[in-house]
Amino acid sequence: QKEVEQNSGPLSVPEGAIASLNCTYSDRVSQSFFWYRQYSGKSPELIMSIYSNGDKEDGRFTAQLNKASQYVSLLIRDSQPSDSATYLCAVDRGSTLGRLYFGRGTQLTVWP
Amino acid sequence: EAGVVQSPRYKIIEKKQPVAFWCNPISGHNTLYWYLQNLGQGPELLIRYENEEAVDDSQLPKDRFSAERLKGVDSTLKIQPAELGDSAVYLCASSAGQGASKRGSYNEQFFGPGTRLTVL
Repeated sequence: QKEVEQNSGPLSVPEGAIASLNCTYSDRVSQSFFWYRQYSGKSPELIMSIYSNGDKEDGRFTAQLNKASQYVSLLIRDSQPSDSATYLCAVDRGSTLGRLYFGRGTQLTVWP
Repeated sequence: EAGVVQSPRYKIIEKKQPVAFWCNPISGHNTLYWYLQNLGQGPELLIRYENEEAVDDSQLPKDRFSAERLKGVDSTLKIQPAELGDSAVYLCASSAGQGASKRGSYNEQFFGPGTRLTVL
């Protein structure tokens, strides 16, 4: 089992819709969770971090964390074509603080 | 505030040649990371530095890869000799580390633009 798994995608949504990206992780002691956005040919850009169970909102982005289910998600409201990118879920395992384990990413396309 | 700086952005070399990548982290960031990213995959850690000390290099192929972070600021990653399978994007990232003043931000990692290496 991989450390971090993301829904395979690609995901395609119309402009204005809600995009839902999901991620599960294997290590129960994981403490920190991150979402990165990566445009084609560019490096990952941090868009959200979440440390506690529940929801965290930042503009059109909402991260949701459920440690009991070992599940973290990212919702993008009012999706825009500029949101089209690959979204990477990353987890900082408690036993190896500082090392991020990344999923393979979910490619999102928002069509006008 | 300036971000993580990397150079070169692109490098094409022949197999068995040496190559080096340079990284300058965000000012004040104590922790520096080198990652490797293959196409269609997430980044994978090669080495992590806390100031000058390499605290996690378990994933670094030490027979051909080496890294240093003299004076705890800039870092260099070297491959000698390069192999065809080393073609990838090499990413440098930094984080504030344990000395961060903002709660919860000590381990937020910020990436540089990366170096795309092609080995022919």
